Formats: sequence, C-alpha cells, structure tokens
Amino acid sequence: QQPVQSPQAVILREGEDAVINCSSSKALYSVHWYRQKHGEAPVFLMILLKGGEQKGHDKISASFNEKKQQSSLYLTASQLSYSGTYFCGTGGDNDYKLSFGAGTTVTVRA
Amino acid sequence: NAGVTQTPKFQVLKTGQSMTLQCAQDMNHNSMYWYRQDPGMGLRLIYYSASEGTTDKGEVPNGYNVSRLNKREFSLRLESAAPSQTSVYFCASKTSWAYEQYFGPGTRLTVT
Repeated sequence: QQPVQSPQAVILREGEDAVINCSSSKALYSVHWYRQKHGEAPVFLMILLKGGEQKGHDKISASFNEKKQQSSLYLTASQLSYSGTYFCGTGGDNDYKLSFGAGTTVTVRA
Repeated sequence: NAGVTQTPKFQVLKTGQSMTLQCAQDMNHNSMYWYRQDPGMGLRLIYYSASEGTTDKGEVPNGYNVSRLNKREFSLRLESAAPSQTSVYFCASKTSWAYEQYFGPGTRLTVT
C-alpha cells in the first residue's frame, strides 16, 4: 500500500522553509526520500532506518517517527535548485521493494 | 560510466501490439527494478529482480513480463499493449550493500 504524502504541492520564495510529510498504515523499517526534477529521473536524497538518527543533505533534513509510522522532510532556507517533486518510499522487512508516495511538488521562486 | 540506460526513449504503440523495453546498467549492481509513473500516482513497482536469475512481482505486474537476461540487463515486455499502459517507465538498479536506487532516464510510452 502506497504511503500518503502531504501537501500535494507547495510554493516557496527563496529562503523560506517547508515541511513534507509521509505517513504509512503499515509498520515501517525504512523511509527513502527521492527528488525528481521536471523531465528527469528521480535522484536519491537520503534514507532513514528504524532506530536510526535524523539525516541531512545540505539544508535538507528528515526525521522518522517509527511509532507514528511517519517521516518528515525539512527544506530549510530553500534555494531555486530545490524545485522538483519529492517522493518518499517506504520499505518493509524486505528492502528490495519500496512503495512510493504520490509525490509533493515544490516550486521555489526568486 | 553510463549508469542505467534505457531504450527506446519514446514509443507509440497501437492497442494489441507488443514491445520490449530494454534496460542495462554498468555499475555491477545485483538488483534491478521496473517502475511506471503516472500523473498523481507516483512511482509504482511493476517487477523487480533481487539478483541475477530471480524475478518477483511488484504492485502492478498485470499485463507485463520481465527477463533478467544477465547481471547487466533487465527487460520489460508488453505482450498486448492497452491504453491503460500509457505511462513513463523507469528502470532502476542498486547494489546489495547500499539502499540507493539509481534510475535510468525513462521511456515515454503511448498506447493508442
């Protein structure tokens, strides 16, 4: 079952912050975050594992709440290059298979 | 290093025609995947191959078949294309000891 992402879309000005949420109805072992720019392939950002720490990638960080079966991606001091669609992928006990959310489209304007 | 390559980039088929989408990776990865991406649906797993010689169904396998030809190549076949299979298809691969999946550039398929 696909995880649910919110919001579906967000528009930011450069320097603003945003939070993207990902929740699942199933127990999670891992949450993977990818970004896809328009017309391109998805690119891996980071993974959060059950029992692991909060991760960061430049000014993009994420957290994983195992009890709530949720993850959040934080875009801090957004840059134009942050524009794209962000997908969370959730893994069960078989890390070969991921279920991806529908995506959150982020538009950063100057 | 080309990474993950896919052919063709674009394809238009008529209902009932068959075709094979090709995927190859030069990173010596063990696992390979086929996804389809539809507007508002995100990426949905069609089939995957955890290692050479094995294939397993994903979320949406109906209407598709796959072949893991060797460690490098993983093909996706549509035996009798339907308009519902109009989509962008992505192939991905990953190594056994890391979580990151590397995606190919995609194939945009239209079935009329």
